[in-house]
Amino acid sequence: DTEVTQTPKHLVMGMTNKKSLKCEQHMGHRAMYWYKQKAKKPPELMFVYSYEKLSINESVPSRFSPECPNSSLLNLHLHALQPEDSALYLCASSQSGQVEQYFGPGTRLTVT
Amino acid sequence: EDQVTQSPEALRLQEGESSSLNCSYTVSGLRGLFWYRQDPGKGPEFLFTLYSAGEEKEKERLKATLTKKESFLHITAPKPEDSATYLCAVLRTPGNTGKLIFGQGTTLQVKP
Repeated sequence: DTEVTQTPKHLVMGMTNKKSLKCEQHMGHRAMYWYKQKAKKPPELMFVYSYEKLSINESVPSRFSPECPNSSLLNLHLHALQPEDSALYLCASSQSGQVEQYFGPGTRLTVT
Repeated sequence: EDQVTQSPEALRLQEGESSSLNCSYTVSGLRGLFWYRQDPGKGPEFLFTLYSAGEEKEKERLKATLTKKESFLHITAPKPEDSATYLCAVLRTPGNTGKLIFGQGTTLQVKP
């Protein structure tokens, strides 16, 4: 099974709201990722967790805060977002940082 | 500078009309090259991993090949359900970070 799940599927939030995106995998993968994807563009890497530790932060604004509670779960906490943060947020996982990544279905985020 | 370039940007085919998508890359050292398929509003679906020049992988109507400078995704007798955006990504050496470098994608439309 190569399934990564994400909740919610859609999220609309105001600029003063706080919300969280959730991601889960049960493949025993030790690396998990957050990506942001705008329309007609490839995914842009935001964060990488390796063995539950943050290993890459691609200079993402602090209004995005990742969390890896355990090896199967990855959260992205959102606070005081801007309309330009509206995008498809993708979670991915891989056995290690050297092999293919498996993506979830994404969360469509709209900031009003 | 590491770069991945996909061509063409868009491709329209008639059902049954075979063709190829190109992914050229310039990286200091290639750890792996990955092909993904992405349907609108959904997460990328993993297709193939290629590690070394001369390697080939096949799945149904798709065949991926790799040389030292580029990869091709050959589509034989495509069907309308093959319509999607195809993304190419590379992982460079040292390749333990999981940081993929994506191309801009090729959007394929197959007409019945």
